[in-house]
Amino acid sequence: SAVISQKPSRDICQRGTSLTIQCQVDSQVTMMFWYRQQPGQSLTLIATANQGSEATYESGFVIDKFPISRPNLTFSTLTVSNMSPEDSSIYLCSVVGLSGANVLTFGAGSRLTVL
Amino acid sequence: AQRVTQPEKLLSVFKGAPVELKCNYSYSGSPELFWYVQYSRQRLQLLLRHISRESIKGFTADLNKGETSFHLKKPFAQEEDSAMYYCALRGYSGAGSYQLTFGKGTKLSVIP
Repeated sequence: SAVISQKPSRDICQRGTSLTIQCQVDSQVTMMFWYRQQPGQSLTLIATANQGSEATYESGFVIDKFPISRPNLTFSTLTVSNMSPEDSSIYLCSVVGLSGANVLTFGAGSRLTVL
Repeated sequence: AQRVTQPEKLLSVFKGAPVELKCNYSYSGSPELFWYVQYSRQRLQLLLRHISRESIKGFTADLNKGETSFHLKKPFAQEEDSAMYYCALRGYSGAGSYQLTFGKGTKLSVIP
């Protein structure tokens, strides 16, 4: 399965700032996604990162707050904009590879704490 | 709408005892069900999927459409099974879609 590298692995941020999380995959993948896992909660899909076009956002998530880029088949970024303490979460990059197994593989996650 | 319910936040069992992690789902179509596991300090990874009908690390799960359940079972728990387990459902919201809905997870603790 694909190997996913996410960075930063963790960060502490000030209210009102923005942070960009990077996701790099070691092979071309068909689909890339961004999930959020708030403390004590389950994983929630933020959006599907589309290569060369705007991401597809799930209900409750908007591009102004979570701009996403995917310039090619192996790389994507998620920005958490104008952060507040409620944005403190683990953000996970995940992919469906080209192996044919059609299985979702996750990165290690980026743990953000907003003060 | 699709929903996954894991009723137990925490399940503690003794080593060698049987384990059953419950998962119920709500979905109007034919779902694809998964179990993901996250061991301490490791990333979330796929444990098994219902269409494979396989046993991984001694775990099995059978999709029961009548009861809309996909419980995860293992006859004899091992200490290394201690982890967070998430049940997930894949619905089909359009061509090429791949939206997974996760349950809130059950933390399994195997007592030596």
